[in-house]
Amino acid sequence: GAGVSQSPRYKVTKRGQDVTLRCDPISSHATLYWYQQALGQGPEFLTYFNYEAQPDKSGLPSDRFSAERPEGSISTLTIQRTEQRDSAMYRCASSPWGETQYFGPGTRLLVL
Amino acid sequence: AQTVTQSQPEMSVQEAETVTLSCTYDTSESDYYLFWYKQPPSRQMILVIRQEAYKQQNATENRFSVNFQKAAKSFSLKISDSQLGDAAMYFCAYRSPVGFGNEKLTFGTGTRLTIIP
Repeated sequence: GAGVSQSPRYKVTKRGQDVTLRCDPISSHATLYWYQQALGQGPEFLTYFNYEAQPDKSGLPSDRFSAERPEGSISTLTIQRTEQRDSAMYRCASSPWGETQYFGPGTRLLVL
Repeated sequence: AQTVTQSQPEMSVQEAETVTLSCTYDTSESDYYLFWYKQPPSRQMILVIRQEAYKQQNATENRFSVNFQKAAKSFSLKISDSQLGDAAMYFCAYRSPVGFGNEKLTFGTGTRLTIIP
């Protein structure tokens, strides 16, 4: 696609529910990143993929968070048993290998 | 671990004037990349400018330029002829060299820039 797209753009859920966020990267980009951005803060790294491989998931805050990219293109980020502290903007970025990261519009998650 | 510090939470500038946003970073690596991203009220993250540490020359993109001082670990952004559309949160970011398994961006806390008409 022309740019990175994310869906949904907004998600409101109740505490304890599972949510899945989707990222569709720029089609030629090998690498895909997930970041979490709390209000008033800079984005913080969660995990990234080179094609379908996931070399680094050190930023995932707990085992409730998981991500996958099974065919090396679209990726999903799943948060199980959501908690209020999970409320944030979740950003996806993609890049050609080793190059500049281009961000999607983000998914704003609110956990009630 | 690398850290990025933006010491100016807020800045303001008169339209058409010049403003400089500060960024310092800490790293033991000799080669790396530095970026400025802009986040307007729409909350999109837009790349403003990029600098490779091995390059002596400061990067420039139209009205945006950087002052990269490698020894001082300083990477400031200068915006010339400020326009109302420049109003945004600006984030400085650091990235390690490719191939070392640490290609995430490390961001500062941001500087909110207001343009005064």
